[in-house]
Amino acid sequence: KAGVTQTPRYLIKTRGQQVTLSCSPISGHRSVSWYQQTPGQGLQFLFEYFSETQRNKGNFPGRFSGRQFSNSRSEMNVSTLELGDSALYLCASSPFQGSNTEAFFGQGTRLTVV
Amino acid sequence: SQQGEEDPQALSIQEGENATMNCSYKTSINNLQWYRQNSGRGLVHLILIRSNEREKHSGRLRVTLDTSKKSSSLLITASRAADTASYFCATVRGTGNQFYFGTGTSLTVIP
Repeated sequence: KAGVTQTPRYLIKTRGQQVTLSCSPISGHRSVSWYQQTPGQGLQFLFEYFSETQRNKGNFPGRFSGRQFSNSRSEMNVSTLELGDSALYLCASSPFQGSNTEAFFGQGTRLTVV
Repeated sequence: SQQGEEDPQALSIQEGENATMNCSYKTSINNLQWYRQNSGRGLVHLILIRSNEREKHSGRLRVTLDTSKKSSSLLITASRAADTASYFCATVRGTGNQFYFGTGTSLTVIP
């Protein structure tokens, strides 16, 4: 069974640009969550999608958005990039939406904003 | 902001020794999970303990949960060099899959 796939693995963008990151969950998984990891703030929840609907959203500005497609693949978009957006972005999938399920994480996309 | 704190922030031990990491959190939870992360890569799930459980074992891992103190501990017995990684606790509230991660413990196992 293939794991969670995130593309691209590495990105370098310039301040003010926008970026789109992609996540393909494990086959059959319908819940996809996104996290931002930085040395200063640690792992922070961005948003969660289940069956194409955003179910939860973390405390991030509106520049961060996402969506989920009918095949459960998800994308997140960051517009008007700032230097502080440099981070490892992790996607996690779970088979269903329930509080007692483990999450399976992808290898992440390392975004560097210059 | 993170949900919880972990201590120690860094831990260095010899191969074969036991490693204990602690996690404290702030609000009521449905479950607490522990994850491992190798050097800037994805997180790997280790163990899940429900709020009504007090102790759980998985191989060389032992997790305890004290909901009255809002704390958990992860014990790795007979550590190996391959256990070198960062370890995070994550709490889950409500019915979604929104995880609140601790600050992490960086474990180094010296061969």
